[in-house]
Amino acid sequence: GAVVSQHPSRVICKSGTSVKIECRSLDFQATTMFWYRQFPKQSLMLMATSNEGSKATYEQGVEKDKFLINHASLTLSTLTVTSAHPEDSSFYICSASSRRTVLDTEAFFGQGTRLTVV
Amino acid sequence: SQQGEEDPQALSIQEGENATMNCSYKTSINNLQWYRQNSGRGLVHLILIRSNEREKHSGRLRVTLDTSKKSSSLLITASRAADTASYFCATRGGGSNYKLTFGKGTLLTVNP
Repeated sequence: GAVVSQHPSRVICKSGTSVKIECRSLDFQATTMFWYRQFPKQSLMLMATSNEGSKATYEQGVEKDKFLINHASLTLSTLTVTSAHPEDSSFYICSASSRRTVLDTEAFFGQGTRLTVV
Repeated sequence: SQQGEEDPQALSIQEGENATMNCSYKTSINNLQWYRQNSGRGLVHLILIRSNEREKHSGRLRVTLDTSKKSSSLLITASRAADTASYFCATRGGGSNYKLTFGKGTLLTVNP
């Protein structure tokens, strides 16, 4: 299957700072990327969907000014958590799909990023 | 809002036994997928079943889909300790709704 690389795998930051998480598709063109958040022992909650070259679509209740998503190329999307607070501590996971396969095939996931805000 | 609901939430079995997990969903779908997640890791795709399919096999995995009941089941046969993980069903909507919506997951523990 296709490979999606997410970096960093773990990050600890101070309250009030910003953190950037990268999601790269290594062997295919990811026209659509999805960002999820997962609390301990819970399911994945979709935060936003980004299409290459256009603004991300955020799910209800997700602050777009706090969680900045950039999908500037067909292989890279970034999620920046701005002015992080302890309640932003969570596991963030990206997934990527190509335009040709977004509906009908599996999604390819990154390894996830464990964010801890202290 | 969550589309899929898995049951049981947790399942503990002995190695060699079969494990069955169920998933229910609420709206029409294009396909339903099952994923596995080891603790603190990303998701690994296991199997995809389309809305016009009723059953699918992959190795020790068997998935069924009943669109009239809006439900699916995942059967893992001859379980191994290495199968210990969380299992999630996820539904892909139809039309332009290509979001993948996850259920709450089942934590499977296979005891050696």
